[in-house]
Amino acid sequence: DAKTTQPNSMESNEEEPVHLPCNHSTISGTDYIHWYRQLPSQGPEYVIHGLTSNVNNRMASLAIAEDRKSSTLILHRATLRDAAVYYCILRDRVTGGGADGLTFGKGTHLIIQP
Amino acid sequence: SAVISQKPSRDICQRGTSLTIQCQVDSQVTMMFWYRQQPGQSLTLIATANQGSEATYESGFVIDKFPISRPNLTFSTLTVSNMSPEDSSIYLCSVNGFYGYTFGSGTRLTVV
Repeated sequence: DAKTTQPNSMESNEEEPVHLPCNHSTISGTDYIHWYRQLPSQGPEYVIHGLTSNVNNRMASLAIAEDRKSSTLILHRATLRDAAVYYCILRDRVTGGGADGLTFGKGTHLIIQP
Repeated sequence: SAVISQKPSRDICQRGTSLTIQCQVDSQVTMMFWYRQQPGQSLTLIATANQGSEATYESGFVIDKFPISRPNLTFSTLTVSNMSPEDSSIYLCSVNGFYGYTFGSGTRLTVV
């Protein structure tokens, strides 16, 4: 899987939008961009994924650059409960299936201030 | 998405002993994955367990140290053998599904 680069940590205020960047300059044409987050004392959970177009779901939005070399996870209105480590992961398939696990980078530790 | 129950949630063990971690899924899955998360670190894949065949281990992990069982499509165990303090970590199991991978809440192991 191609490598991703994320800031070690970011800080935001509660009820404000948060933009979490991810650089993936070596992304291949078949790589999907996945985001997971790990809340304190829990296992990671799926957030969102995309290939080329921007994506929205109930948790977040994913904005993908036109050249696909970077992406941004957007939390529209952060709450204290969104404090977690956010991982940007590339995989050459959509969510389901496959015989291989995920390769986690260091992720971004998101701190939310009340 | 699948619901995973992992036991125990935490344990403190003496060095030289072994601990078996159980992972129960509420639906049948082909593949189950085991990860290790060392203190302050990210997750590292240990092995992939496919029902009916031997687990496939990632580089740096061996079957003698981390034997895995996969007796049916909803259950797997990971044993951490002959433990040392360096094995103190969180161990997590995971399955993949339509909406992405689901993880158990982990087993926090402390070896003293």
